[in-house]
Amino acid sequence: NAGVTQTPKFQVLKTGQSMTLQCAQDMNHNSMYWYRQDPGMGLRLIYYSASEGTTDKGEVPNGYNVSRLNKREFSLRLESAAPSQTSVYFCASSNRGGFSQPQHFGDGTRLSIL
Amino acid sequence: AQSVTQLGSHVSVSEGALVLLRCNYSSSVPPYLFWYVQYPNQGLQLLLKYTTGATLVKGINGFEAEFKKSETSFHLTKPSAHMSDAAEYFCAVSTGGGNKLTFGTGTQLKVEL
Repeated sequence: NAGVTQTPKFQVLKTGQSMTLQCAQDMNHNSMYWYRQDPGMGLRLIYYSASEGTTDKGEVPNGYNVSRLNKREFSLRLESAAPSQTSVYFCASSNRGGFSQPQHFGDGTRLSIL
Repeated sequence: AQSVTQLGSHVSVSEGALVLLRCNYSSSVPPYLFWYVQYPNQGLQLLLKYTTGATLVKGINGFEAEFKKSETSFHLTKPSAHMSDAAEYFCAVSTGGGNKLTFGTGTQLKVEL
């Protein structure tokens, strides 16, 4: 059981390039999330998808777009990468069932933008 | 709006000593609270969660946390630290629709011989 799988694990981009980060979960979860982790700032929510067919902005959505391709997959796109988007990106998923459901995380994508 | 404050970005303990990682929350409604652990180059793993009922919650790897409503706290403890406990720990509160989580800024735990 793989859980949440993120690809790629590492990526280096030049300013202005575009990139799509992929995420897939095999736990039949309804909700999926994208976070970024920066030193001293914890995890900040970029976008989330409460269920298939819906997406909503989180705390720091500017410069990003998302697609909930199906129940399993939730991708994050950087249309024109900027150095400020250098970060570690985590995808997570959770089951429907109220606020008590924990989130399950992938191992992250380490993204550097030069 | 909910928020979480973790006191101490770095905590160092000796192996075998008590581990205490502090978390205070702010919430206008009864909160659901979580502790996650992150080992180097990995994602976050759930340690324990408080939803309702018993205020002392036991988690994996010998960790536990106590929900204290009067103090708006959810501190994480472990009686005896092990070298393998060295990691970063995050406290989080569940917010609003979609099971969104608001995370604290994390506490890096170092365990010394």
